[in-house]
Amino acid sequence: GIQVEQSPPDLILQEGANSTLRCNFSDSVNNLQWFHQNPWGQLINLFYIPSGTKQNGRLSATTVATERYSLLYISSSQTTDSGVYFCAVILNQAGTALIFGKGTTLSVSS
Amino acid sequence: DAGVIQSPRHEVTEMGQEVTLRCKPISGHDYLFWYRQTMMRGLELLIYFNNNVPIDDSGMPEDRFSAKMPNASFSTLKIQPSEPRDSAVYFCASSLVPGLGDTEAFFGQGTRLTVV
Repeated sequence: GIQVEQSPPDLILQEGANSTLRCNFSDSVNNLQWFHQNPWGQLINLFYIPSGTKQNGRLSATTVATERYSLLYISSSQTTDSGVYFCAVILNQAGTALIFGKGTTLSVSS
Repeated sequence: DAGVIQSPRHEVTEMGQEVTLRCKPISGHDYLFWYRQTMMRGLELLIYFNNNVPIDDSGMPEDRFSAKMPNASFSTLKIQPSEPRDSAVYFCASSLVPGLGDTEAFFGQGTRLTVV
């Protein structure tokens, strides 16, 4: 079955808007990371967050491990935020490598 | 540290040719991972190494694919013979012991492979 599910699959925003991206996972995790894949294809680390809440500038993330989901918040979006956002987890019962969701494609227009 | 370094960044080859992708992990990282990204399948794990030893190669699609890690600072992914369906972006990543404290994985810039 699906182990990492992200929603929405696509998101279109005007510059300045806020957004919330969601990641559901099928089992308990010992690692969860959020990545941004920019238009040049580079995977950029945003957060390492198997539990709790972290903030970095306009971005913040919360993982509720007991309920098996994580949220990525983007505030005051900018055109440079465009790209694909991936959630990736290491499930406790499924080895040692990150398993990726299918991503949320974000397009921010000016 | 310069991060994970992959080469080449782009590779175009003809069907049937051998292709070798290279990766230098972050110094001190114990784990090295090879992923492939396609539109159809997304990002999928091919193989990973711990201390230069292959641990799980169940994601390697066929015998045409092979990976080696001769030392802690170098790994190769080889496709022989290559086929058009191998066209994808191949990523290498490295980390300290996964799941043990703050041990996030870092990815290289990828190699975009096109087989014509």
